[in-house]
Order: sequence, then C-alpha cells, then structure tokens
Amino acid sequence: GNSVTQMEGPVTLSEEAFLTINCTYTATGYPSLFWYVQYPGEGLQLLLKATKADDKGSNKGFEATYRKETTSFHLEKGSVQVSDSAVYFCALSEGGSNYKLTFGKGTLLTVNP
Amino acid sequence: NAGVTQTPKFRVLKTGQSMTLLCAQDMNHEYMYWYRQDPGMGLRLIHYSVGEGTTAKGEVPDGYNVSRLKKQNFLLGLESAAPSQTSVYFCASSYLPDTQYFGPGTRLTVL
Repeated sequence: GNSVTQMEGPVTLSEEAFLTINCTYTATGYPSLFWYVQYPGEGLQLLLKATKADDKGSNKGFEATYRKETTSFHLEKGSVQVSDSAVYFCALSEGGSNYKLTFGKGTLLTVNP
Repeated sequence: NAGVTQTPKFRVLKTGQSMTLLCAQDMNHEYMYWYRQDPGMGLRLIHYSVGEGTTAKGEVPDGYNVSRLKKQNFLLGLESAAPSQTSVYFCASSYLPDTQYFGPGTRLTVL
C-alpha cells in the first residue's frame, strides 16, 4: 500500500534560518504529492503540490520538487519566519479512482525570534 | 464564502453516549471526507463520500457511521462512544480527488 515517511521532529530554528523537512513516499503508479500546513488550533491548509516528476511546487517562499528517482518531496524554505511555526504534513494521492490522501505523521516546526 | 465548517468545535461525552458531528461546505464539492488526528499518528481517513447519497469506508471506520443526504453536508455519527474515540476530527472536501480543503476541526473527549 501507499505510505509517506517524513522526519518527525520537532524542528526548532532561529528566524532567517534555512529549513528542510524530508519526505519520502511509497506508491504504485504516479501519485500527486502535497505539503499541507496546520497552524495552531486550525485545520490543515494546502501549502503546495506537484502532480508529476520533476515538477516544483512553490508557495509563500516554500518549495518542493517531485523526485521520482529518489521517491522524495522535500520541503525547503530559504529564510523562515516566526509566523512559519506550525505542523507540516507531507501527503500523496494516487488519483484516478483512488480518492484518498495518505498523510505522513507531521513535523512540528518552531521558529524562535 | 465560509469554505468548510464543522459543528460543534468541542464536545465532551461519557462512554456509551451518542453524538453526530456536522460538516458543511459551500464550494459545491463532490467529494467529502472525515479524518481523525491523534498525536504521532498523523491523519487517518474514517469515511468518505464521492457524491450525494454515497459513502465508503476509509482506513479506520469501526465505531463510526456517516451519511451524505445533501451534497453540501456530511455527517459523522458515533453510536456508542468509547474513550479510544477521543481525538480531533477534521472534515474535508474537494472538487478533484486530490486537493482537499479542511474544516477547523472538532475536539472530542470521551470520558
């Protein structure tokens, strides 16, 4: 079956530091890949997505590249802010008739001023 | 445009009690989902629906029932609550099967 593995953290960084959160996946076929973000006390929000190999998703300074050869979709940001403190979830969808998102366990990021 | 809303936001039940969680979306989405979120477990799919009048089991359906009588609403029922059902419940909806929009969550405690 499908699975998503991401670094569990927690990750603590200082403001303006570089962020990487690793995500690898196992899936049949050619899944779409996602990063969702959950701010404290809120639901999940889509941060970015990529639907095919070598695609780069980007939003709010965050980027992730769909690497089929390494089955990875690592999240990066060059300079984090205190407001980026949240839980980040990597997820995949096989698409087609499979309607489900498979989530990783989430990574808590805390950014200190 | 409210997006996805969930009612109630918080609830405390005693073991054996029943309750229904309501999810509503105003985006005319065909697909709706119920997840539970537990520490260290990520999100797990309970049930989902691919259109009005349809429902299907997800990863952890036991102890829950759902109904989708109207396109905009997706109800999650607990007939006899157990402490293991203490969790945060999220509803989501989507136009396409992949990009899902989430509600703010319902925090349920079963004593």
